[in-house]
Amino acid sequence: EAQVTQNPRYLITVTGKKLTVTCSQNMNHEYMSWYRQDPGLGLRQIYYSMNVEVTDKGDVPEGYKVSRKEKRNFPLILESPSPNQTSLYFCASSPQTGNYGYTFGSGTRLTVV
Amino acid sequence: QKEVEQNSGPLSVPEGAIASLNCTYSDRGSQSFFWYRQYSGKSPELIMSIYSNGDKEDGRFTAQLNKASQYVSLLIRDSQPSDSATYLCAGGGGFKTIFGAGTRLFVKA
Repeated sequence: EAQVTQNPRYLITVTGKKLTVTCSQNMNHEYMSWYRQDPGLGLRQIYYSMNVEVTDKGDVPEGYKVSRKEKRNFPLILESPSPNQTSLYFCASSPQTGNYGYTFGSGTRLTVV
Repeated sequence: QKEVEQNSGPLSVPEGAIASLNCTYSDRGSQSFFWYRQYSGKSPELIMSIYSNGDKEDGRFTAQLNKASQYVSLLIRDSQPSDSATYLCAGGGGFKTIFGAGTRLFVKA
């Protein structure tokens, strides 16, 4: 089954404790992206990747890191999480650029206390 | 700041009616437009994409694009209670896709 797999689905952590949210797709998509979704603000792009080793900032990149060492994986790293990063996070992939529409992962609900 | 704006709703329609969802966008460079459906607690699901002016139909869904007015709409014919969800409008061009905050739709049985 074609899918984007995110883990974990739920995560509660403390301020400052480094964490990684994993994302993997099995569709051989070149383009992957991370979004956060907050009430009233919609989906905001954090980072995106056009291909292996090629990443760039979205609209809200502060406090996040990403890497794309393999085509299928695109982890999101929070080096020192803060409470304002409490949110619902989605990984998404697309065959090429975002012009083709996304397949989204199931989401990761992160709470930073 | 590039924006995509939608009325947050809720939009309430009776079963069998036509639901009309609208959005406007600020970036004239946007080339591709999408409608996603998001059920509560679930991830967004792509339901329609449109790239050129005019209408595009897929089953009960019709997407409409007017680039001169920077306006995108989604019509859902014969609305069903299962269509109750939040509908996200998105516009893209190049490497970024901007999403609206979504319109909540309720279809009353």
